[in-house]
Amino acid sequence: RKEVEQDPGPFNVPEGATVAFNCTYSNSASQSFFWYRQDCRKEPKLLMSVYSSGNEDGRFTAQLNRASQYISLLIRDSKLSDSATYLCVVRESGGGADGLTFGKGTHLIIQP
Amino acid sequence: DAGVIQSPRHEVTEMGQEVTLRCKPISGHDYLFWYRQTMMRGLELLIYFNNNVPIDDSGMPEDRFSAKMPNASFSTLKIQPSEPRDSAVYFCASSRLTSGNYGYTFGSGTRLTVV
Repeated sequence: RKEVEQDPGPFNVPEGATVAFNCTYSNSASQSFFWYRQDCRKEPKLLMSVYSSGNEDGRFTAQLNRASQYISLLIRDSKLSDSATYLCVVRESGGGADGLTFGKGTHLIIQP
Repeated sequence: DAGVIQSPRHEVTEMGQEVTLRCKPISGHDYLFWYRQTMMRGLELLIYFNNNVPIDDSGMPEDRFSAKMPNASFSTLKIQPSEPRDSAVYFCASSRLTSGNYGYTFGSGTRLTVV
């Protein structure tokens, strides 16, 4: 059974701080990895893909550890607008669209 | 680009009634997905289509659920008869496989309440 596990939180973090959370996946054959962001009562939106070598997009850094089967997201200099639920997402195969498997999300609250 | 369009945004219906959810994918996207989201189970894939053909419906809960995609610009998810446990947010998403390390674009969702 495909599983993607996340700490549900909430993570309460002061504005300006750095916050990081991880996600573990059960299927070692997983090929593609993503972080999605979901605001309250809104649809999930793609935040960033996660590449094997790690990648950065502004204040956001994503890393992949295939040996330990986990993905991480680091947010630097957090803003109030970063408050949201962050969904870890895994796709099983290297080709074709077999459907993404979503974690249940980590709830992040940035406090002024 | 209008994005993925879902209707209705909200639906309240009585147990036993038929419910039809609608989705218009992004033009040019050849994959369409139906997801259901609840607090308990998170986002679950129900079914997906490629070029209007259903590829995997193993996530459809039971025979009360059915989905169709008569053309590239329209899909429906039908629940008949509906039950209170079907209450959830139903998302439609679309994707274009050739867009590299692709993600999906989601619609705004349909919030279904069955009473």
